[in-house]
Amino acid sequence: SQQGEEDPQALSIQEGENATMNCSYKTSINNLQWYRQNSGRGLVHLILIRSNEREKHSGRLRVTLDTSKKSSSLLITASRAADTASYFCATVLRGGANSKLTFGKGITLSVRP
Amino acid sequence: GAGVSQTPSNKVTEKGKYVELRCDPISGHTALYWYRQSLGQGPEFLIYFQGTGAADDSGLPNDRFFAVRPEGSVSTLKIQRTERGDSAVYLCASSLGTSGDPRGETQYFGPGTRLLVL
Repeated sequence: SQQGEEDPQALSIQEGENATMNCSYKTSINNLQWYRQNSGRGLVHLILIRSNEREKHSGRLRVTLDTSKKSSSLLITASRAADTASYFCATVLRGGANSKLTFGKGITLSVRP
Repeated sequence: GAGVSQTPSNKVTEKGKYVELRCDPISGHTALYWYRQSLGQGPEFLIYFQGTGAADDSGLPNDRFFAVRPEGSVSTLKIQRTERGDSAVYLCASSLGTSGDPRGETQYFGPGTRLLVL
């Protein structure tokens, strides 16, 4: 079963604009991660935010986490055509060595040059 | 060093046949995960290895699916009596397997094996 639900399902923006993607989940988590996937193949880890954190930054990426609302957002600033991909949020329910990920269905981002 | 590799990249088989999918994790990564991704969906967890042992196989859909990691490195996912519903991309990921540190928990994914059962 899939824990995360991303919103919107698809997003199309102009290069240079900001892209905001949202994710909601159902149960308590240890951490939440965002991944990017190009062409339906390998996923690339973008960022991890723990349940006791509210915001993290990495380059042009900003992630927020609101555990009271069970939601997260991923902001990509100054988007580029190369950011075109599918983006997934994934949750890890418990701490410990087993960090199995529960993914949402993903958001398709298109950045027009 | 090299990333996670998976072979074959594509596999076409007939219903009822047996298939093996191979994963070579990053050297030194003790944790290894298998996921399955159907078209238009996010990946779904199948099985997790810590070292040689399958620590969590709760995602395997039925007893036609089995995975091994005999020496704690390479893993093989085995599917018996394949069905058309098994068609998907099978993804492997590895991590250092340590908790409490993002570097130890980050999973690195291979390019996947696209399985098509006719």
